[in-house]
Amino acid sequence: NAGVTQTPKFRILKIGQSMTLQCTQDMNHNYMYWYRQDPGMGLKLIYYSVGAGITDKGEVPNGYNVSRSTTEDFPLRLELAAPSQTSVYFCASSGGDTIYEQYFGPGTRLTVT
Amino acid sequence: GENVEQHPSTLSVQEGDSAVIKCTYSDSASNYFPWYKQELGKGPQLIIDIRSNVGEKKDQRIAVTLNKTAKHFSLHITETQPEDSAVYFCAASKNNQGGKLIFGQGTELSVKP
Repeated sequence: NAGVTQTPKFRILKIGQSMTLQCTQDMNHNYMYWYRQDPGMGLKLIYYSVGAGITDKGEVPNGYNVSRSTTEDFPLRLELAAPSQTSVYFCASSGGDTIYEQYFGPGTRLTVT
Repeated sequence: GENVEQHPSTLSVQEGDSAVIKCTYSDSASNYFPWYKQELGKGPQLIIDIRSNVGEKKDQRIAVTLNKTAKHFSLHITETQPEDSAVYFCAASKNNQGGKLIFGQGTELSVKP
């Protein structure tokens, strides 16, 4: 199993541009999550999904959108990128016997200038 | 909502010494407390967790203790080794939250040989 994969690894955006961060998991997990990690701030939950077709906001959803059309994929969309969205983004999934053990992807480092 | 505070933000120890990282949480309904280790350039990985019906849990050199009355929990690493150097995050969660975790700010542990 590849686990949780994320693309791209790095990206530089100009202010106002849009992009989609891709996340795929091959563990048949129902639960998927998007976090952002800023220096010294820990991980903040942006959006999460408890299954295909179901998404909900986390702690810091403003400026982002998500969709969950399949169990495997959970893309994160940034519309009108702003410098405040410069961060490292992690996707995670959980499921099976324990929905609380989250498996993280390697992250996407995004810079908005 | 839940708030998790983690201390210290940085910790430096000599190889072979013990390291202790502490977290406090605000929501008395939280009942699951995991610890994640994040190595440089990678996503966090679960290393140990504890549920509210248990006061202590050990796994080789790692242990976690929970004080529900005081609403705090701690990670203890004994006989530290250079490969323990990483950023450690605590988190809290409760039932019916879709597996959502609220993370502390992280502790950068440095083990000097």
